[in-house]
Formats: sequence, C-alpha cells, structure tokens
Amino acid sequence: EDKVVQSPLSLVVHEGDTVTLNCSYEVTNFRSLLWYKQEKKAPTFLFMLTSSGIEKKSGRLSSILDKKELFSILNITATQTGDSAVYLCAVINTSYGKLTFGQGTILTVHP
Amino acid sequence: NAGVTQTPKFQVLKTGQSMTLQCAQDMNHNSMYWYRQDPGMGLRLIYYSASEGTTDKGEVPNGYNVSRLNKREFSLRLESAAPSQTSVYFCASSHGSILAKNIQYFGAGTRLSVL
Repeated sequence: EDKVVQSPLSLVVHEGDTVTLNCSYEVTNFRSLLWYKQEKKAPTFLFMLTSSGIEKKSGRLSSILDKKELFSILNITATQTGDSAVYLCAVINTSYGKLTFGQGTILTVHP
Repeated sequence: NAGVTQTPKFQVLKTGQSMTLQCAQDMNHNSMYWYRQDPGMGLRLIYYSASEGTTDKGEVPNGYNVSRLNKREFSLRLESAAPSQTSVYFCASSHGSILAKNIQYFGAGTRLSVL
C-alpha cells in the first residue's frame, strides 16, 4: 500500500524563524512529488519535484527531493504570519496523475 | 479565472438523505478527482476519472457514487448519508495525460455535516 508520511504534524514558530518540513514516501511507480499550501480553503500548488537533488525555489520557500532515501523537505526562511497554513505533501504514482497525500503539517507563525 | 468550481459550499443533511455534489472545471483537463478531508488524515481519494467516460474507485469509495457527465463535469453522490460522511469534500482536476502538467488544481471545497 502506498504511503506518504509528513513530520512534524504541527509546528509553532515566531516570525523570522526558519522551518523545515519533512515528507517521506513509500510508493510503487513513483513519478513526482508535489507540495501544496492550504489556508482556509483549497490547497494551492507550490512545487513539483521529479528529479533528485534539484532544488526548487520560490521566494522564501525551497524544496528538494532525495529519490534514493525517499524523502523531500520544504524549507521556509524568514517566516511571516501569512505562512501559517497546512502544508501538504503528495506523490504521483501513475501515468495519469493520481495523488497519494500525507497527513499534512500545520504551521503556525506568531508575530 | 474560474478554474474548478464546486457547489454547494455548505450543506447539512439528516441521516439517510441523499444529495449530489457538483464539480465543473474550465481548464480542458482530462482527469478529475473527488477527495474528502478529515482532521489529521490529509486528503483521501474517493473516486477519480482518468478521462471522460471512465471512473474508478479510490481509497475510500464506500457510500459514494460518481458520474463523469462530460469532460467538464464530475459529480459525487451520497445515496444515503451517514454521520461518518461528515467531512470537507474537494474536487480537483489535472491534465492527466502529460506528466509535466499533472498538477492537480482544487476547488474551494464543500463542508458537509450529516446529523
């Protein structure tokens, strides 16, 4: 059975801190790993990672994939209160894009 | 920029009632998905449609049925609602045929309570 596990499940930090969110997976036919940010409503896409070792960056957010050790990390530097959200990791394991999600990490950033 | 549209946004049902959740996308995507999200359990796939005319069970299909009405629309039906189906339901879509574009885009969700 395919499995995606995120850690920690919740994290509380203060503005300006740097955080690292973890995602490990055990899936057959791995294709890609995706990170989403979920605030009050729909998950919104952050990154798609397909190859090991290539860092994806978007402003203060960055992510990297290790296909040998089967994990990914999402880093957020200089956190802001607007970064407070649930961060979801998901893996594509079929040719047409079906996702298996982790439980999510609840990030709370205090002023 | 409508993207994925779900209706209704909120619904309260009594045990045993039926209802249909509607989903439509305007991105010409081939694949569509229904998820439920419960506290501490992430998003779990109920049913999906890899392409128009096909549907398949996901991780938690019991108590649900789906219809891929056309390429744009994918509905989820609860025939006899149970309290265990209280959840937030998300519809999503993706290109489904080209790996680089298999990013799923989500609707705003339907919050369903079954009393």
